Amino acid sequence: QSALTQPASVSGSPGQSITISCTGTSSDVGGYNYVSWYQQHPGKAPKLMIYEVSNRPSGVSNRFSGSKSGNTASLTISGLQAEDEADYYCSSYTSSSTLAWVFGGGTKLTVL
Amino acid sequence: EVQLLESGGGLVQPGGSLRLSCAASGFTFSSYAMSWVRQAPGKGLEWVSAISGSGGSTYYADSVKGRFTISRDNSKNTLYLQMNSLRAEDTAVYYCATIMITSYTFDIWGQGTMVTVSS
Repeated sequence: QSALTQPASVSGSPGQSITISCTGTSSDVGGYNYVSWYQQHPGKAPKLMIYEVSNRPSGVSNRFSGSKSGNTASLTISGLQAEDEADYYCSSYTSSSTLAWVFGGGTKLTVL
Repeated sequence: EVQLLESGGGLVQPGGSLRLSCAASGFTFSSYAMSWVRQAPGKGLEWVSAISGSGGSTYYADSVKGRFTISRDNSKNTLYLQMNSLRAEDTAVYYCATIMITSYTFDIWGQGTMVTVSS
């Protein structure tokens, strides 16, 4: 299974908004609304931030939002804060096998 | 509190075997599909394997099919990953995670256990 495509890095200043893209194919991102986003701080386990394209789990700040257009999903973080600095990964269900998931390569967010 | 605690990682020679465990607590383990996801040093996340709540259905990434076996013991609230014919490229932190099956989402993650395949 091929990885989804994310930018290697993005950056923004505190208070600004940033968007991270996640591009796949019609067999994954474009074909299903099963896109999720995970935040990972160094040395820590990933944490679910967005599921089903745009849903936030309980406890996740409403500064985090998700969307999708065609084969590309996006994660937007508004009102950037220092603690948002982390790696972000997108994931999608894929029909390329009997049942499988595919991840993006990850995006390093730097808060300037 | 919902918790997943992995164990069993370590150093193993190429061609060797290792069994990882993931002890679950704070939720009804048998009601949840479970998964293993790995992360090679400095690299991104890679889905490895998944298993249904009953254990009757299992799924594998092509990279581990035929070498790894996922299983679970619902009486012990424990998930396993038997890894055989290990290769250097299997070196990674292995995470277990619950699956929200209605949304194909990895919900709760353990802290991970490191597997190093080297001679």
